[in-house]
Amino acid sequence: KAGVTQTPRYLIKTRGQQVTLSCSPISGHRSVSWYQQTPGQGLQFLFEYFSETQRNKGNFPGRFSGRQFSNSRSEMNVSTLELGDSALYLCASSYDREVYGYTFGSGTRLTVV
Amino acid sequence: ILNVEQSPQSLHVQEGDSTNFTCSFPSSNFYALHWYRWETAKSPEALFVMTLNGDEKKKGRISATLNTKEGYSYLYIKGSQPEDSATYLCAFNDYKLSFGAGTTVTVRA
Repeated sequence: KAGVTQTPRYLIKTRGQQVTLSCSPISGHRSVSWYQQTPGQGLQFLFEYFSETQRNKGNFPGRFSGRQFSNSRSEMNVSTLELGDSALYLCASSYDREVYGYTFGSGTRLTVV
Repeated sequence: ILNVEQSPQSLHVQEGDSTNFTCSFPSSNFYALHWYRWETAKSPEALFVMTLNGDEKKKGRISATLNTKEGYSYLYIKGSQPEDSATYLCAFNDYKLSFGAGTTVTVRA
């Protein structure tokens, strides 16, 4: 059974650029969430999508956006990159989070220089 | 902003010893509490989802208890093995998961 796939694994971008990260959830999982981890910080919730609709959003600036497609694949976009956006971005999918919890991908390590 | 706190931040355990650590969360409006294990160079892995009416959860040598009235959960590792070395995260589930900073466990052989 394929897990949650995130691409790319590593990314280096320059300040001011934009970036798009991709997440393919486990087949049958309609809920996809995104988290950011920066050094010294715990996992910070970005947003959650369910059946192509954004269900919840964390406390991040509008430069962070996302979407979900009809096949449940999700993308996250960060515009006008800042140095502080350097982080590990994790995607997680779930069939029923109250029963099974989330399955996480391996993450995308974004470095902004 | 929900305050989910884990203690201690890290601990070192001798192989074969048992250990436990704590997750504290808001006691009001409880819905569920998640525990995850995050090994180096891997993805976080779900251990338990603990709900209001749940009893102690167990998975192999790892178990967890929940006290929703006082807002804490304990994770126990019995007979620690080197493969138990990881960061253990708890997450409070309301409309999203609010994660604690984790407890990093190092098991010395």
